[in-house]
Parts: sequence; C-alpha cells; structure tokens
Amino acid sequence: ETGVTQTPRHLVMGMTNKKSLKCEQHLGHNAMYWYKQSAKKPLELMFVYNFKEQTENNSVPSRFSPECPNSSHLFLHLHTLQPEDSALYLCASSQESRGLNTQYFGPGTRLTVL
Amino acid sequence: ILNVEQSPQSLHVQEGDSTNFTCSFPSSNFYALHWYRWETAKSPEALFVMTLNGDEKKKGRISATLNTKEGYSYLYIKGSQPEDSATYLCAPEGGGADGLTFGKGTHLIIQP
Repeated sequence: ETGVTQTPRHLVMGMTNKKSLKCEQHLGHNAMYWYKQSAKKPLELMFVYNFKEQTENNSVPSRFSPECPNSSHLFLHLHTLQPEDSALYLCASSQESRGLNTQYFGPGTRLTVL
Repeated sequence: ILNVEQSPQSLHVQEGDSTNFTCSFPSSNFYALHWYRWETAKSPEALFVMTLNGDEKKKGRISATLNTKEGYSYLYIKGSQPEDSATYLCAPEGGGADGLTFGKGTHLIIQP
C-alpha cells in the first residue's frame, strides 16, 4: 500500500460514454499527477496539480478533463474516447511538484475503450 | 519533454549473477534523476533520487551512480534474486517543467 488509491481498477467503456477515474491520497501531499501507460510506450505525464492548481497539461486532448477539488483528490473525466485511449492510467502524489520530491503511485485503472 | 533513453530494453540474468543497465538523459537543465522499480501488478516504487555529479546511492544489493556532465546513470544489482524481476524506470527532473519524464524502462527477468 502506497497511500494512493484509485477507483475503479478496471473500466470498459464505449466511445460515446462518459466516465470518471478517481484518485485519493492519504499522505498529506500537495501535488498530484495523472500518467498514461500505453503498450510499448513509456509512462507519459498527462497533468500536474500543485496546491490544487494545474501546472502542467502535456498536450492532452480535451476528451480528458482533470479536476482537483482539494489536495487529496484528483479526478479524470472521460468523454467520447477513442480505442487508442485504452491504457493503464496511473495517479501519483508528492509533497510538491518540484524539488526532489519522490512520487508515490496508485495501482492504476486499466481502461478499455470499445 | 526530455529525451530519456534506457538500455537494454530487456535483460535475462541468472540468479546470483550481478547486472547493470543504463539511463541516458540531456545534461542541460538537469536538476535530479529518479529511479523507480515497477513489479508486475504493483505500483511503481521509488528507489533513488540523485542530484550531484558523481553521486552514488545504495539500497541493499541495488546501487546507482550519476554522471550529470555526460548525462547518464547506471543502476547495479549485485547477486540478483528472483524478487528483483521488475521493470526499472529512470526519470530525469529538469527543463523547467513539473512532473517527471520517464524512460521506457529496462525489463529485468531473473532466472532461477
């Protein structure tokens, strides 16, 4: 257990569905991240939040919409996804977003888009 | 986005043997280098954070060195055990951006 939980662990959705991924950290951290792991690709940073403010959007398509209501919770809202969006989505947190801060990862959500 | 290269992509090692692999990254705007271990069906787990040129960190049988001038880091595993089987990821921090840029990783399989 890393102190970072993600739900659901698995999700299958159609291209017209709307769903949300949830991440919660119990570590008292101020920064939270969304990463995407596709087959045969490196772990790709999607979004960074530091003290609830978005500080990085790594050219992510608008069909992915993040939300960070407080430092402990992070959501990724999904709508009209494509089959190529099928991947493992990992959430992480750290004390702050810069400055030698170790990131702690959740177990991930395995997303399949049909 | 930083260009991060890890080699080899995969590695089979006999139990008890020692091994090492490489992470290459841009030496400009360097701030720190992170190493993570990612076991199958688990979350990536931090191993080391390194900042200084010539730095060496050790955790049990695993150690890492850092050369910031030429932009590379080595990870060493001494006397490999089956539980060392995992993907080892490196991630340099720098370039003025928040978050980490990960390499594709080295997939290590220890054969009994």
